[in-house]
Amino acid sequence: KQEVTQIPAALSVPEGENLVLNCSFTDSAIYNLQWFRQDPGKGLTSLLLIQSSQREQTSGRLNASLDKSSGRSTLYIAASQPGDSATYLCAARGTGTASKLTFGTGTRLQVTL
Amino acid sequence: EAGVAQSPRYKIIEKRQSVAFWCNPISGHATLYWYQQILGQGPKLLIQFQNNGVVDDSQLPKDRFSAERLKGVDSTLKIQPAKLEDSAVYLCASRPQGGNSPLHFGNGTRLTVT
Repeated sequence: KQEVTQIPAALSVPEGENLVLNCSFTDSAIYNLQWFRQDPGKGLTSLLLIQSSQREQTSGRLNASLDKSSGRSTLYIAASQPGDSATYLCAARGTGTASKLTFGTGTRLQVTL
Repeated sequence: EAGVAQSPRYKIIEKRQSVAFWCNPISGHATLYWYQQILGQGPKLLIQFQNNGVVDDSQLPKDRFSAERLKGVDSTLKIQPAKLEDSAVYLCASRPQGGNSPLHFGNGTRLTVT
């Protein structure tokens, strides 16, 4: 059974700082790894999807890496802004086209002025 | 492209009452998911549909929860009777069939059982 863990559970940083969010998973046989953002009272917005054959994906100030062998993924946010404040969740999708996503519990990020 | 639509946004009921949630996925998305997200936790899959067939309902409490997607488009999730521990946000998500496409989520329905 896949288990996904995110550390830290909460993080507060001043504006402009670069930061790293961590995600670990127990079963390395994954199809892909996704990072989502969730604002209070809202659903999840997909940020980045890394296929199992890839090492990283970039979108703007966001960069996600994947190391399947060690069961780890990181989300790097450059030059953080107050608008980045949200909860960030990672999710590992098992192999097979019909397999489900297993989510971590998220990291709650606050970027202060 | 219109997003995943869910209704209602909020619902408050007493325990032992019944409740139903509705989801309309993005047009053309064959795969539809219902997730339960308890406060402070990540979403937990309740049921996954591929068109109008159930792919995975292993974590659905079938004694009180039911879901259907009769025409392979919109879907309803029902709870009868509700318990206090069912208080959560119920999220619907969809994606196209196959491939590495990401999930698209609706804004969810926040259920409070008193």
